[in-house]
Amino acid sequence: DTGVSQDPRHKITKRGQNVTFRCDPISEHNRLYWYRQTLGQGPEFLTYFQNEAQLEKSRLLSDRFSAERPKGSFSTLEIQRTEQGDSAMYLCASSGRRQGKGIWGYTFGSGTRLTVV
Amino acid sequence: DQQVKQNSPSLSVQEGRISILNCDYTNSMFDYFLWYKKYPAEGPTFLISISSIKDKNEDGRFTVFLNKSAKHLSLHIVPSQPGDSAVYFCAARTNRDDKIIFGKGTRLHILP
Repeated sequence: DTGVSQDPRHKITKRGQNVTFRCDPISEHNRLYWYRQTLGQGPEFLTYFQNEAQLEKSRLLSDRFSAERPKGSFSTLEIQRTEQGDSAMYLCASSGRRQGKGIWGYTFGSGTRLTVV
Repeated sequence: DQQVKQNSPSLSVQEGRISILNCDYTNSMFDYFLWYKKYPAEGPTFLISISSIKDKNEDGRFTVFLNKSAKHLSLHIVPSQPGDSAVYFCAARTNRDDKIIFGKGTRLHILP
């Protein structure tokens, strides 16, 4: 397994355009998370899935944002009518089932850097 | 409302010395704490974690200490090496779900 993959690594788009990012989690992980990170901030939670079910959405996720995980494997995050304030690093992470005594944590992808001009 | 606070945006430490990164939290429902390390243009990588039932966890040069009564944790790196220069994020998870809340990070500079 090659870890969590995100595509593309970088995206430059004009204001008002739609963009879509893809995340391929670690295959045996049933939970997938999307975070956003801006300069000087830590990763901020956007949404997460358990298998194909979207369990929680942050208030940061406006109506212009939509995320899907149709078959419980890869996920897409779409931003419609992009704004300059959407410029950020979008991070995807996955995790497996909670272990009773083991180490648990997210495995992050390398992120997609979005620049809206 | 910042539930996980890292009050030092940056820290400089001489190579070979101890680096101590601090973190405070406000949510008493947090039951698991993590430290992540991040290099530029990469995603965060897991470093070390600690359950709320423990007060110390050690992994090689890295030790995390948890003081539940003070709602404070710290990461100790001994000895500090040049490759440790990165941004370190303190993070916490509640016992309700698996969502992790991150602090703003501390940029660690290891000086030669």
